[in-house]
Amino acid sequence: EVLLVESGGDLVHPGGSLRLSCTASGFTFSSYWMSWVRQAPGKGLEWVANINQDGSEKNYVDSVKGRFTISRDNAENSLYLQMGSLRAEDTAVYYCARENRNWADVFDIWGQGTMATVSS
Amino acid sequence: QPVLTQPSSHSASSGASVRLTCMLSSGFSVGDFWIRWYQQKPGNPPRFLLYYHSDSNKGQGSGVPSRFSGSNDASANAGILRISGLQPEDEADYYCATWHTNSKTVVFGGGTKLTVL
Repeated sequence: EVLLVESGGDLVHPGGSLRLSCTASGFTFSSYWMSWVRQAPGKGLEWVANINQDGSEKNYVDSVKGRFTISRDNAENSLYLQMGSLRAEDTAVYYCARENRNWADVFDIWGQGTMATVSS
Repeated sequence: QPVLTQPSSHSASSGASVRLTCMLSSGFSVGDFWIRWYQQKPGNPPRFLLYYHSDSNKGQGSGVPSRFSGSNDASANAGILRISGLQPEDEADYYCATWHTNSKTVVFGGGTKLTVL
């Protein structure tokens, strides 16, 4: 079964840091681009960042540039999002998603999400 | 980068057909973009439905019924998600998205909450 499982969500203070993880199974993780997509409570989806197969290319939405870092460990089938200088507006469910670049770049597999709450 | 605008809500009766729109901002032409559509039900992650660029470049997600289809409306500069024979289980939020090559970013529309009456 193709699966993505996120973890690491927590309650943190403004200005703090958090590291999210996503573990993949059931497919060849190292063959795919991967993305993080977030959803603030009661709001829509917002793409956050993506990374290519070997980690040499990374892209970010403007609002997180310089604060968040996406990375991956193909030996561990894992994707990460290091989040720093956190703000209240970063509060959201964070989903990892597989980008299928052999199929119109769709996000064809999604995890269940992990909740990050930034509050004092 | 383009902005994708979706109506915040739409309602229709069971058995009816609906057209959900995803309008591209000025300066961007829908014919130049590949529009992806996702469905999200409460408490669940999004699910990929389909993508549409042209009649010769389109695709359906795994297990997605043929009642769901995509198209473009050039006059409205919008991508269209059509759902025919609405069923109660189609009640969900629907998001469009596209990849913007120049900025290397993905843009989502704000989503449409579809209510099946």
